[in-house]
Amino acid sequence: ILNVEQSPQSLHVQEGDSTNFTCSFPSSNFYALHWYRWETAKSPEALFVMTLNGDEKKKGRISATLNTKEGYSYLYIKGSQPEDSATYLCAFTAGNMLTFGGGTRLMVKP
Amino acid sequence: DAGVIQSPRHEVTEMGQEVTLRCKPISGHNSLFWYRQTMMRGLELLIYFNNNVPIDDSGMPEDRFSAKMPNASFSTLKIQPSEPRDSAVYFCASSLRTSTIYEQYFGPGTRLTVT
Repeated sequence: ILNVEQSPQSLHVQEGDSTNFTCSFPSSNFYALHWYRWETAKSPEALFVMTLNGDEKKKGRISATLNTKEGYSYLYIKGSQPEDSATYLCAFTAGNMLTFGGGTRLMVKP
Repeated sequence: DAGVIQSPRHEVTEMGQEVTLRCKPISGHNSLFWYRQTMMRGLELLIYFNNNVPIDDSGMPEDRFSAKMPNASFSTLKIQPSEPRDSAVYFCASSLRTSTIYEQYFGPGTRLTVT
């Protein structure tokens, strides 16, 4: 069983605030790190897949970085909007194993 | 493409009954995943198939659970007999896996309630 941890578990911010959260994963036998966005009553939606140490990905106001040597990834949201409210999941793959973290639930208040 | 299709969307059944959940992956995808989401355990991978072959079923809770993928366009997850603790949302996802790098596309889920 691979231990993938996300922090914080939940986060409340005001519209316009920038925010970030963390995904920690085992640094050995790393293959890929995924980020998903999961809105309530919908299905998880892929945001990024990262494979190389130092990778940075960006999609609009959302970006992510990867450090495979120390086993963490950050997800940043710049200028949060109410529509960013969702649970953000990371998933770690090593070999044939895929493990999701518990998610960070983000609530953006207008 | 219609995306990943799951049926039924909601299932209510009594304890002891057999439950079959169905999934149609995105055409052309070669990997299929079954997940269970509960409040206590979050999103858990139950089993996944690559080219219709089960690769990792270590997440399947117990012998009451079984999954099949008879062809590239269809998979089932069966629970027999069902128990109240099986109540959860079951997601199916598919991906085009050419290496270990693959984005998964999730279906809408099946909400199962066992009374």
